[in-house]
Amino acid sequence: EVQLVESGGGLVKPGGSLRLSCAASGFTFSSYSMNWVRQAPGKGLEWVSSISSSSSYIYYADSVKGRFTISRDNAKNSLYLQMNSLRAEDTAVYYCARVRWVVVAAMVDYWGQGTLVTVSS
Amino acid sequence: DIQMTQSPSSLSASVGDRVTITCQASQDISNYLNWYQQKPGKAPKLLIYDASNLETGVPSRFSGSGSGTDFTFTISSLQPEDIATYYCQQYDNLLIFTFGPGTKVDIK
Repeated sequence: EVQLVESGGGLVKPGGSLRLSCAASGFTFSSYSMNWVRQAPGKGLEWVSSISSSSSYIYYADSVKGRFTISRDNAKNSLYLQMNSLRAEDTAVYYCARVRWVVVAAMVDYWGQGTLVTVSS
Repeated sequence: DIQMTQSPSSLSASVGDRVTITCQASQDISNYLNWYQQKPGKAPKLLIYDASNLETGVPSRFSGSGSGTDFTFTISSLQPEDIATYYCQQYDNLLIFTFGPGTKVDIK
């Protein structure tokens, strides 16, 4: 059974830093691209960042570029999101999500339960 | 950047009704379009991928169509368990994903 379990969320002051982790199990982690997707309270889904299976390709939303860093450790079946210079507008539930490819079609087929990040003084 | 719009933003329908949601991309995205369902307090769930392919295990009352810039998501017969927010999502071959703003569906 595919499982994605996020951790590391919490309350942080504006300008602070936080590192999210996602522990993956039930599939060959090193074969899949992974995403972070967030959802502010009462709002819609926002893609944050993607990383390819070997970390060769990394992409960020403009809203987090230069402040967030995605990484992965395939030996530990883990995905990370280092978040620096946090702002109030970064307050959200952060989801770890797996990307599946079907020929040239990409989709997010598994999601974690999410971890809440609150940026407030 | 590609922008996604959805309409309506919310709708109310009766059990058994046919429900249709539209999603429009700001430029041609071929059929690189997925649909997700999100129930309150839960993670999203993939329903339709590549515009019209039903994800394994998803009831056949859900369907999708379209290509280019205009896409449609349909629930052929609304069920009480379908109460949720539905999101379209486009991707490009650079692993950049964009979600639509969502459509909240509830029972009349």
